[in-house]
Amino acid sequence: AQTVTQSQPEMSVQEAETVTLSCTYDTSESNYYLFWYKQPPSRQMILVIRQEAYKQQNATENRFSVNFQKAAKSFSLKISDSQLGDTAMYFCAFMAADSGAGSYQLTFGKGTKLSVIP
Amino acid sequence: DGGITQSPKYLFRKEGQNVTLSCEQNLNHDAMYWYRQDPGQGLRLIYYSQIVNDFQKGDIAEGYSVSREKKESFPLTVTSAQKNPTAFYLCASSIRGSGELFFGEGSRLTVL
Repeated sequence: AQTVTQSQPEMSVQEAETVTLSCTYDTSESNYYLFWYKQPPSRQMILVIRQEAYKQQNATENRFSVNFQKAAKSFSLKISDSQLGDTAMYFCAFMAADSGAGSYQLTFGKGTKLSVIP
Repeated sequence: DGGITQSPKYLFRKEGQNVTLSCEQNLNHDAMYWYRQDPGQGLRLIYYSQIVNDFQKGDIAEGYSVSREKKESFPLTVTSAQKNPTAFYLCASSIRGSGELFFGEGSRLTVL
């Protein structure tokens, strides 16, 4: 079974600054995907960024980037130039790539509540 | 517009009553999921379905039931056997195996 741990229940950052959210995971799978999802106060959750474990290059989406350390089983999210709209719950998630290993279920961490302060 | 629609947004139930939460998608996705969200607990998987007429239990299926008679629809019934049903329920769908979940806006169930 996989576990995903987000050790920071709450964080805050000044507008325009950079913040890093931490995520670690535990798995015996060799091929998997990692995700960061964002849930704004309006509640509709959306995908922020996705990383394939076999790719060494860290994924980037505009102001969002990840630091994927496979050996350390670490997958942190960096938000640059923070904006007020970044205020949300952020969830880290894991999915095994092999359909036999849980049939494409996502395992989520407990989330980090990020507040961007004007 | 393509997306996922959950209804109702808010629901109140008396103890001992079953209640059904609706989830409809027009994204043509094969896979659909139900998650329960409690403060400080993250998202926990209740049931999921990868194809019509087939579904599997997730981590916390006790006290819940689902059906998948149509590709577009995946309703969740919260039965009276669920000991602590007050929670926020999220439905999601995806292309099978992609991991990119598209979520509905959620349904908040309160047991009085």
